[in-house]
Amino acid sequence: SAVISQKPSRDICQRGTSLTIQCQVDSQVTMMFWYRQQPGQSLTLIATANQGSEATYESGFVIDKFPISRPNLTFSTLTVSNMSPEDSSIYLCSVGNREGQPQHFGDGTRLSIL
Amino acid sequence: AQKVTQAQTEISVVEKEDVTLDCVYETRDTTYYLFWYKQPPSGELVFLIRRNSFDEQNEISGRYSWNFQKSTSSFNFTITASQVVDSAVYFCALSEYYSGGGADGLTFGKGTHLIIQP
Repeated sequence: SAVISQKPSRDICQRGTSLTIQCQVDSQVTMMFWYRQQPGQSLTLIATANQGSEATYESGFVIDKFPISRPNLTFSTLTVSNMSPEDSSIYLCSVGNREGQPQHFGDGTRLSIL
Repeated sequence: AQKVTQAQTEISVVEKEDVTLDCVYETRDTTYYLFWYKQPPSGELVFLIRRNSFDEQNEISGRYSWNFQKSTSSFNFTITASQVVDSAVYFCALSEYYSGGGADGLTFGKGTHLIIQP
């Protein structure tokens, strides 16, 4: 399975600032996804990162708050903008190639907002 | 809209007991995929198994077994002779057919926190 690296692994940020999370895969993948896991909660899909076009966002998530880039088939970034304490979560990147194939996840970015 | 329900928030058993984790799903698609993931205290998500909607065969892998029943929209997971290392949060997840090719995003249940006591 693909090796997925996320940076940073954790960060503590000030309210009102923005942070960009990077996701690097060791092989080309068709699909890249971003999820959020709030403390003690399940995972929620934020968006699908599409290579060469705008990301597809799920209900409740907007581009202004979570801009995503996908410049090539091995790399994506998620920015959490104008952060508030409610954004304190683990943000995870996952990758998938074919329909129905299991997605594999990075180790996540643990984000705390003061 | 798709939905995954894991009604058991937390289960605590003594080591060597068998334990079953329940998963019920909702989808309007006839083609879909079901998954189980494990999230140990260290936090990483570990893929355990995948089932597609056309394959209702049950599966056994060592101490793990899965029972997929379309008639009841359930995909339950049983651990036989549980061990302390099985302690983790277990997530059931669903993805629907993606007409654009490639994979679709996952809808996760809320997870079941499994505690195996020595």
